[in-house]
Amino acid sequence: NAGVTQTPKFQVLKTGQSMTLQCAQDMNHEYMSWYRQDPGMGLRLIHYSVGAGITDQGEVPNGYNVSRSTTEDFPLRLLSAAPSQTSVYFCATLVTGLAGRRAETQYFGPGTRLLVL
Amino acid sequence: GNSVTQMEGPVTLSEEAFLTINCTYTATGYPSLFWYVQYPGEGLQLLLKATKADDKGSNKGFEATYRKETTSFHLEKGSVQVSDSAVYFCALSVNSGGYQKVTFGTGTKLQVIP
Repeated sequence: NAGVTQTPKFQVLKTGQSMTLQCAQDMNHEYMSWYRQDPGMGLRLIHYSVGAGITDQGEVPNGYNVSRSTTEDFPLRLLSAAPSQTSVYFCATLVTGLAGRRAETQYFGPGTRLLVL
Repeated sequence: GNSVTQMEGPVTLSEEAFLTINCTYTATGYPSLFWYVQYPGEGLQLLLKATKADDKGSNKGFEATYRKETTSFHLEKGSVQVSDSAVYFCALSVNSGGYQKVTFGTGTKLQVIP
């Protein structure tokens, strides 16, 4: 199992450019999430999905779009990049127990480091 | 809302010293509690967890006890090694409207010197 994979590992964008951060998992987990990690702020949830075709906003969704057409893939789109989106982005799956009533663990990808000039 | 508060770092210790990283939380409902570890250049990975009051999570010599009365989940290790140098995140998860809501603390960087 590859677990959670993310591409690219590093990207430089100019303000106003768009791009898609890719995330894929081979563990058949229903929950997937996107976080951004900034110094002193921990991880903040951008968007999440509880299954194919179902997505919802997290804590900091502005400027980002997601879709979930398959269980395996959960891409994150930056529509018009801004310097404030310079960050490290992590994709994660979430395993639940007790028929979804309890979180068991999250599996994180290695991250994408994004620099917006 | 839900929140997790961790002690600020960095925490610098000599090898074989005792480690405590404090974590307190506020949550609506009955959360599960986690500690994640992030090594340089990598994603987070689960270190340990506890799902109900008085449960003790343990892994790789690290321990944390779910204290409902003090809303705390402090991380401890009796003798740290250089290889334990990493950033440690406390987190909670609660069921909200049928979905799991996960909240992370800001992380505590641990540096262990030989």
